[in-house]
Amino acid sequence: GAVVSQHPSWVICKSGTSVKIECRSLDFQATTMFWYRQFPKQSLMLMATSNEGSKATYEQGVEKDKFLINHASLTLSTLTVTSAHPEDSSFYICSARYGQGVNEQYFGPGTRLTVT
Amino acid sequence: DAKTTQPNSMESNEEEPVHLPCNHSTISGTDYIHWYRQLPSQGPEYVIHGLTSNVNNRMASLAIAEDRKSSTLILHRATLRDAAVYYCILRRGTSGTYKYIFGTGTRLKVLA
Repeated sequence: GAVVSQHPSWVICKSGTSVKIECRSLDFQATTMFWYRQFPKQSLMLMATSNEGSKATYEQGVEKDKFLINHASLTLSTLTVTSAHPEDSSFYICSARYGQGVNEQYFGPGTRLTVT
Repeated sequence: DAKTTQPNSMESNEEEPVHLPCNHSTISGTDYIHWYRQLPSQGPEYVIHGLTSNVNNRMASLAIAEDRKSSTLILHRATLRDAAVYYCILRRGTSGTYKYIFGTGTRLKVLA
């Protein structure tokens, strides 16, 4: 159980376009979903936390108008990278947890974004 | 933000125990210590977590120092499939609002 999927697994887009990444919890309802970014050979950096039905909370330094997060249901969150540039190329990973007191986060397999 | 410090890389022989250290000197009383591991081009996988007492599960053991400023992840018998980047993470925040602060991770290489 506790499977999180992401779609697409990889995407290439042109500079200036927008791209949407989906994160789904397949067998549980996720009260909270998290979005991370990971550059090559580096650790994961938390971008934002989203709770179903409310606005996402962004980490310091993350542009909320550039990285749009929607958590419309308990099983789906989306990250839209708007007006993408080559420096946005990265590995984007989502995670999800259920309940208020549960310790674990379940991570998706990640989406590799390449902006040309 | 609370940070963790880990060695960049470690090596182990197959079938031998591995001790992966982590320093978290700025840990606060309510921070949980979590360990995850990540294979190339995959999302992190949960390994173990604890607060004050040592913990054991089928994957590993977690030894937490008495002052909680450091911890050690113990893989009892390393296999080739254990080769990954291991992250020591502090879970900061209260129930319902917590977030993970990832450290730099230790890349574990297992030698056959």
